[in-house]
Amino acid sequence: EAGVVQSPRYKIIEKKQPVAFWCNPISGHNTLYWYLQNLGQGPELLIRYENEEAVDDSQLPKDRFSAERLKGVDSTLKIQPAELGDSAVYLCASSLEDDVSTGELFFGEGSRLTVL
Amino acid sequence: AQSVAQPEDQVNVAEGNPLTVKCTYSVSGNPYLFWYVQYPNRGLQFLLKYITGDNLVKGSYGFEAEFNKSQTSFHLKKPSALVSDSALYFCAVRGGSGYALNFGKGTSLLVTP
Repeated sequence: EAGVVQSPRYKIIEKKQPVAFWCNPISGHNTLYWYLQNLGQGPELLIRYENEEAVDDSQLPKDRFSAERLKGVDSTLKIQPAELGDSAVYLCASSLEDDVSTGELFFGEGSRLTVL
Repeated sequence: AQSVAQPEDQVNVAEGNPLTVKCTYSVSGNPYLFWYVQYPNRGLQFLLKYITGDNLVKGSYGFEAEFNKSQTSFHLKKPSALVSDSALYFCAVRGGSGYALNFGKGTSLLVTP
C-alpha cells in the first residue's frame, strides 16, 4: 500500500516568491494534517482537515499561508509571499479517525523549503 | 493544553547496551501517547502508542515504552541498542483540539559501535 506522498521533496526560492506543496494521503484516510518542522524542533500543526473541511487552522498564518483539500483527498499548501523564516520542512500526514482518537498519524517524507 | 517534554537533546549509548529516551507528559483526561522516529531526510515513522491497558507497550524494531501515571512519564526503551537505531525520536500526545498530535522537541539518539 502506498504511503503519504508529497511533492516536491526540495524547493529553493527567493523571498517574496510564491510556493506550493502537494500531498496525496493514504487511500481511505479521511483526516489530513499539515505540519511545519523547523530544524532541531518537533513538528507543529498548521492545519487539520476532516474530509474537505478545515476543522483546525488556528496555527496557520493566514496572511501568507493558505491550504485546500478539494474533494477530500489531495491537499495543497501555499505560501505567498514566502519569507526567509519560512525555510523549514513541511510535513503532510493522514489518519483514519474511526477509532475514537486512538489512531496513529502516517507521515510523508516532507517538502524541504529554502527561502533565499 | 496537552503537551510533552523531552528533557534530553541527545542520548549516547554503546551498541548492545540498553537505551532509554525520556518523555514526560501533561494532559487533562486520559493520555494518548505516541513515539515516532525520524531518520535523516525522512518523514516520521510510528513506533508505538499507549491508549489504555498494560503499562508496558511494545512497538516496532524491538522498542517498548513504559507508561507511568504517577510520574507522568512515557519513556522509550530498548534492551539492546543497534547502530541503526541512531535517529531522532519524538514523543507526542493527542491534542486537546481533537486528533492532532502535539510533539516534543525531539531527542537525538546516537548509538556507537
